[in-house]
Amino acid sequence: DAGITQSPRHKVTETGTPVTLRCHQTENHRYMYWYRQDPGHGLRLIHYSYGVKDTDKGEVSDGYSVSRSKTEDFLLTLESATSSQTSVYFCAISGEFSGANVLTFGAGSRLTVL
Amino acid sequence: QKEVEQNSGPLSVPEGAIASLNCTYSDRGSQSFFWYRQYSGKSPELIMSIYSNGDKEDGRFTAQLNKASQYVSLLIRDSQPSDSATYLCVPTRDDKIIFGKGTRLHILP
Repeated sequence: DAGITQSPRHKVTETGTPVTLRCHQTENHRYMYWYRQDPGHGLRLIHYSYGVKDTDKGEVSDGYSVSRSKTEDFLLTLESATSSQTSVYFCAISGEFSGANVLTFGAGSRLTVL
Repeated sequence: QKEVEQNSGPLSVPEGAIASLNCTYSDRGSQSFFWYRQYSGKSPELIMSIYSNGDKEDGRFTAQLNKASQYVSLLIRDSQPSDSATYLCVPTRDDKIIFGKGTRLHILP
């Protein structure tokens, strides 16, 4: 997980509250991704970024928003958390130096919505 | 049609045998193909990449690609208990990287 950190690593919150997960990288990689992982569904892409202020939707973007104001930070926001958003969230990065489309993952953030 | 299909398993293989993991994909424009390994409770990690038809070997691992059949596989020779994990197939064309659900592999001691 060198060069990429996620915070918080664990969070318990209540339905209807806003939640922001942070992904921070020190690799100066262009691309950053947010995935969620649930039993029976594997890794599903939520949103990704291909540069500062450049983002796009993934497979399961409803209920999530993202922002990237600096190369090193990619924020995932749940405006009003629901129990269906209980999951493990992974951030990943890729860039020219690691090889095109080669992902390096953070350690994950476990979110529980009660 | 699902973009990436993998047998969810679990696939049980005796220690020392060859484990064969298979993946089919729907996007004919896919250009790069990756296999990630994920241990329970951990993050995925890249173990193999392949870009052209044929075989690519790296130690005990061999990736095989057949673009005409839209098929990619991973062979693990001399399987070890430490190979027990979920293996994720990832064909990619552009920046949007979609994973298969993965195959759980269990190596029997």
